[in-house]
Amino acid sequence: QVQLVQSGAEVKKPGASVKVSCKASGYTFTSLYMHWVRQAPGQGLEWMGIINPGGGTTTYTQKFQGRLTVTRDTSTSTVYMELSSLKSDDTAVYYCARQYNSPGNLDSWGQGTLVSVSS
Amino acid sequence: QSALTQPPSASGSPGQSVTIFCTGTSSDVGGYNFVSWYQQHPGKAPKLMIYEVSKRPSGVPDRFSGSKSGNTASLTVSGLQAEDEADYYCSSYAGSNNFVFGTGTKVTVL
Repeated sequence: QVQLVQSGAEVKKPGASVKVSCKASGYTFTSLYMHWVRQAPGQGLEWMGIINPGGGTTTYTQKFQGRLTVTRDTSTSTVYMELSSLKSDDTAVYYCARQYNSPGNLDSWGQGTLVSVSS
Repeated sequence: QSALTQPPSASGSPGQSVTIFCTGTSSDVGGYNFVSWYQQHPGKAPKLMIYEVSKRPSGVPDRFSGSKSGNTASLTVSGLQAEDEADYYCSSYAGSNNFVFGTGTKVTVL
C-alpha cells in the first residue's frame, strides 16, 4: 500500500534552516508529483510547493520564493523540503502529499512533521 | 495568491445536510475543474473527499458530493453523521503548477 513516512519533529532557532524528509513506498516514485503543505497551530492549510520526482522540476508559492527548496533522491524514493531563515511564524506541522494523476488530487499524505521555531 | 474563502463554521443535526461554499476567482476555482475537498480531524492529516470538482475517491461515502458554479465550489454532506464533524478545506489549481487552499470550515454535528 502507498505510504509516505516523514522525519521526526524538529526544534530550531530563528535564522536557522530545517530539512524535512518524506519517504515514499508502494508505488512508482518518479511517476507522481509530490506537494508540501503546512499548517500553523490552530490555523488552516497552506500550500507551499510541488516537485516532479521524475525530472526534479519544482514550483514554489511566491511567499516562500528564496527560502524554500524541495529536492528528491530517486535512489531512496525520498523527497526533501528545506526551509531557511526560519522565523517564529514558521512554527507549523509540515505535510508531504502525493498528487494522483490530476492536479490537486492529493490522495495520500504523510503523517506530518512538527517544526518549532523558538529562541 | 490569496486563500479561497470559506465560512468559518457550519452545522447540522444528524441526518440533515450541510453545504460548504468555497469562493475563489477566475484564476483558480473559476478557471479550472480541479477543485478538491479535504476532511481533517483534530491531530490528523487531511483526507481527500472530492477531487476534480465532483469525483469521489474509492471508499468515500456517497453522502459527500461536490459541485461548482462560476468562481464558487461547494461541498454537500448529506445524512450528517457524528463522524463527519471535522474541519473541511477546499483547494484549487491556480495555473502554472500553483495551488491554493481555502480558509477552512469547521463542521459541527449538533
